Amino acid sequence: DTEVTQTPKHLVMGMTNKKSLKCEQHMGHRAMYWYKQKAKKPPELMFVYSYEKLSINESVPSRFSPECPNSSLLNLHLHALQPEDSALYLCASSQQTGGWDNEQFFGPGTRLTVL
Amino acid sequence: AQKVTQAQTEISVVEKEDVTLDCVYETRDTTYYLFWYKQPPSGELVFLIRRNSFDEQNEISGRYSWNFQKSTSSFNFTITASQVVDSAVYFCALSALNSGNTPLVFGKGTRLSVIA
Repeated sequence: DTEVTQTPKHLVMGMTNKKSLKCEQHMGHRAMYWYKQKAKKPPELMFVYSYEKLSINESVPSRFSPECPNSSLLNLHLHALQPEDSALYLCASSQQTGGWDNEQFFGPGTRLTVL
Repeated sequence: AQKVTQAQTEISVVEKEDVTLDCVYETRDTTYYLFWYKQPPSGELVFLIRRNSFDEQNEISGRYSWNFQKSTSSFNFTITASQVVDSAVYFCALSALNSGNTPLVFGKGTRLSVIA
C-alpha cells in the first residue's frame, strides 16, 4: 500500500473559521510533510515531522498549526487565514527524511479557498 | 545551496512524438538524490524515479527513460511515443545528504501538453 490519503478534498472557509486538514499513511513511514502549492508553482515545504516530532518549520505563520498525533497521522490546524492562503495543500510521507529511503509519496491534496 | 533548474516552462507535442524534459541541478554535496515527479491536473504528485549520485546508469521503464550525467549536472527525462495521458506538470527535485533544512528542492516544473 503506497497510498497517502488526505481529507477533505476541497475546503472553503472564512477568515474567522477554524478548520483542520488531515493526512494519513499506513506505509510505516517515519517522516511526514506538509507542502503548500500555489497555481503554476512548485510545492513549498511548510513542516516536517520525523518520528512524530516537528523537525522543520519553514517560518510558517502561526495561523497554521501542525500536529502529529501518531506515526500514521498528520493534521494541519487552520485559524484566521487570509485569502492569500488559498492553495493546494499537499501531505507527503517517506521512510526517512534523509539517506536512502527518502523518496516522498504524496497525497492527492486539499484544495483550500479562503474567502 | 541546492538548486534545480527546469528551463522549459511549457512544451507541447503531438501524440506519438518523443519529448525530453531537461533538468539541471546544483549541489556541493557528493552524495545526493535526484527525483522526477508527475503532477496531473488532479493535483497529486506521482513519484516516478529516484537516482543516487553514485549510480549514473541510465534507466528505462516502459516509455519513460532517464539520462543522468554528472559531468553536466543533468538528469533529463524522455517520454517515447507520447500519449495524451502524459499531459501533466513534471517536476525534477534534488535531495542532498547535507541539505540542511530542506529535504527536497523542486525545480519550477515543466508543463507538458500532448495533443491528440
